Amino acid sequence: RKEVEQDPGPFNVPEGATVAFNCTYSNSASQSFFWYRQDCRKEPKLLMSVYSSGNEDGRFTAQLNRASQYISLLIRDSKLSDSATYLCVVNSPGMDSSYKLIFGSGTRLLVRP
Amino acid sequence: SQTIHQWPATLVQPVGSPLSLECTVEGTSNPNLYWYRQAAGRGLQLLFYSVGIGQISSEVPQNLSASRPQDRQFILSSKKLLLSDSGFYLCAWSSGTGSEKLFFGSGTQLSVL
Repeated sequence: RKEVEQDPGPFNVPEGATVAFNCTYSNSASQSFFWYRQDCRKEPKLLMSVYSSGNEDGRFTAQLNRASQYISLLIRDSKLSDSATYLCVVNSPGMDSSYKLIFGSGTRLLVRP
Repeated sequence: SQTIHQWPATLVQPVGSPLSLECTVEGTSNPNLYWYRQAAGRGLQLLFYSVGIGQISSEVPQNLSASRPQDRQFILSSKKLLLSDSGFYLCAWSSGTGSEKLFFGSGTQLSVL
């Protein structure tokens, strides 16, 4: 089983739609969670951290469910510029007590006019 | 402010040739440094990470190696490239607090022919 799993999509939605992505993680000891956005042939960029109580940044809402070990990202009022791949990222403890960030393979979003 | 530089942006190399990709970080000290690889349409695979000068942890056994000769310099190398080494290589840094966010360089698209 992969440490971080995402639906690869693509999610094809019209402008103005609301779309949600889910991500599951396997290590219950993980402590930090993030969503990154990656445009084609570009580096990933941090979109938002995910906090236990859930958090919102404009049209974006992130939620964490520790019991079920999943994270979600909700995008409201989709814009054409939201078209990208969204990467779920989870930190995972290593054997030497260090933490490493593990990336999901990403969910591709296409917003059409 | 912190910046990360990675070069070259694109590279075409024949099978069996050597490789050297360089990454430097400015505006911070003692960062955690990372090399990731992303194959076409795939997620990011952690190759190496470093928590300090001369300290390298390898995640995936392969014909690649990494070195950190200075605090803010991270180098990815190979003595003989394989076709399977083609991909998008990304250098990243974090502050190393354990709940760190990653900041990526602009990436190197490597094609091994």
